[in-house]
Amino acid sequence: AQSVTQLGSHVSVSEGALVLLRCNYSSSVPPYLFWYVQYPNQGLQLLLKYTSAATLVKGINGFEAEFKKSETSFHLTKPSAHMSDAAEYFCAVSDLTYFGNEKLTFGTGTRLTIIP
Amino acid sequence: DGGITQSPKYLFRKEGQNVTLSCEQNLNHDAMYWYRQDPGQGLRLIYYSQIVNDFQKGDIAEGYSVSREKKESFPLTVTSAQKNPTAFYLCASSIPPSEGAEAFFGQGTRLTVV
Repeated sequence: AQSVTQLGSHVSVSEGALVLLRCNYSSSVPPYLFWYVQYPNQGLQLLLKYTSAATLVKGINGFEAEFKKSETSFHLTKPSAHMSDAAEYFCAVSDLTYFGNEKLTFGTGTRLTIIP
Repeated sequence: DGGITQSPKYLFRKEGQNVTLSCEQNLNHDAMYWYRQDPGQGLRLIYYSQIVNDFQKGDIAEGYSVSREKKESFPLTVTSAQKNPTAFYLCASSIPPSEGAEAFFGQGTRLTVV
């Protein structure tokens, strides 16, 4: 079964600084990788997804992620943090190992705090 | 607007009671999911359904039950057998893998045992 690991349950960056949130997937190349964002007491919203069409994926709100097969990584970045980026971020992978079925497996999340 | 509606937003349950969380979608998705979210543990899959009248246990199905009698509805019952039900519950539906496998989420139901 596919799995993802998010390094760092809490990340703090200064406003205007680079945001880097780390995600590593299990060794087999997944068909899809996702980053979702969650604001307090709300559901999850898709930031971006990797579908093998391009290794550098651009998403909403200025975020992007790069798929690196050699490192089994899909890290999320944003060049300049904004106060509104404070939220929890989840990396997810689609799992097609269940015959005929597909499900998403999520990482444990990274809470991003922006320092004014 | 198409989307997923979860109700209620907040729910309080007495110990020993069963409660049912509602999830309705008008996105015409075949696949639907229930996740439980606890601080520091991310999202854990409770049950999922790929088609009407069929569903599979996820990683933490004990103490929960579901039904899928209609494509648009996937209610979750938290039974008295669930020893620690206080959590944030999220319902989702997804497009087929051939179309990108993206999941769409409801706004969640926060269940508290009192």
